[in-house]
Formats: sequence, C-alpha cells, structure tokens
Amino acid sequence: EPEVTQTPSHQVTQMGQEVILRCVPISNHLYFYWYRQILGQKVEFLVSFYNNEISEKSEIFDDQFSVERPDGSNFTLKIRSTKLEDSAMYFCASSAGVGLGTEAFFGQGTRLTVV
Amino acid sequence: KNEVEQSPQNLTAQEGEFITINCSYSVGISALHWLQQHPGGGIVSLFMLSSGKKKHGRLIATINIQEKHSSLHITASHPRDSAVYICAAPLLNFGNEKLTFGTGTRLTIIP
Repeated sequence: EPEVTQTPSHQVTQMGQEVILRCVPISNHLYFYWYRQILGQKVEFLVSFYNNEISEKSEIFDDQFSVERPDGSNFTLKIRSTKLEDSAMYFCASSAGVGLGTEAFFGQGTRLTVV
Repeated sequence: KNEVEQSPQNLTAQEGEFITINCSYSVGISALHWLQQHPGGGIVSLFMLSSGKKKHGRLIATINIQEKHSSLHITASHPRDSAVYICAAPLLNFGNEKLTFGTGTRLTIIP
C-alpha cells in the first residue's frame, strides 16, 4: 500500500539552528500539507502546497518557515532559526485531489526537539 | 468560529465494552476523517466518510450531515485499541483539503 514517508523520525537541534524536515508524498498525489502538533495540544495546519506554490498558510507559518518540492518527489519544510517553541511533532500529508471523496494520507511524523 | 469538537476527552473502559466517541463540527463539510494516533505519535487514517456509515473490522463510523455530527464506535474493545482518536474535517475549502482537527479522545482499554 502506498504511504507517505517522513525523515528523520526524531531530530534534536540547538536553538537558532536551521532544520529541514523531509517528506516523500505518495507518487501520484498533487496536494501536500504540513501540520504541527505541540505536545498535549491538537494538530494544527501549517501550510498547503499545490502546483509548486503555497496555496494556503496559517498564521503560524511565518517568515522562518519555508517549503519546497526540490526534485518532484521530496517535499521539505525548513525552519530557518529554530526556537524552543518550535518543538513539536511535524506531520506531512498528501492527497490526490480536493473535494468530495478525497482522502488525505499522513506520514508517521518527525518529532523535533529544540534545546 | 469554525471548529471541530470531540467528546469525551478521555475514556477508560474494560476490555469487551462497546465504545462511542463523538465529533461535531460547526459548518458544512465535504467529508470527515477519523484518525488514530499511537503512543509514539504517528497518525493512521481510519476512515473518511461523507455520508452514512462505514465499517472496518470492529470499527464503525457514522455521520449525520444535517446534524453536523459523527461518531466512531469500537465493538468488543481490546487493550490494543488504546490510543488517541481524532476527528478532522476540511471546514473551509479554499480549493485544498486543509484539515481542522479536534482535540482528540484518549481511549484506554483495561484488560
């Protein structure tokens, strides 16, 4: 069964460092998403990406965040200068389309710990 | 405010009990997702439904579009069902499937 894969599963970084979280969506999917879950809180939307550009972003997704689809298969989330409050589980998701009947598939997440 | 609400927040039951988790949402949606989050944090999609009922093994999901309400049922619950169950829906569809998540229901099944 096709799946969304994320790497690494766990990353520890020092405050102020840049991190890149990687995702490989399902190969024929066209819509890509990043979500975040701070420990003990609900999952929150960060950004959606379609046709090589951001289609929507939340207020969380400020200038320190960026997304890229560098090679047609990977979908990355970069955090330029990490803060302690960026510590969270980050989930990538992809879908083939939008609207009725479209299912989103989630990766297993990357647990980011900023120290 | 566009929201997805779940109840209960925590649920503890004995093995074998019938479990019901409820989800309500504030605006019309195209479909609702039920997800399972394991203790390690990974998310697994259980169901996506836009009407009626779906069944997969011991799991049953129902949705009432008019009442903006969905339920997830587990029959003959087992300790391995212990997890956080989350409902999520695309509340405002701006041409993508951005999901708004509920706070989750932490289910613990005691042997």
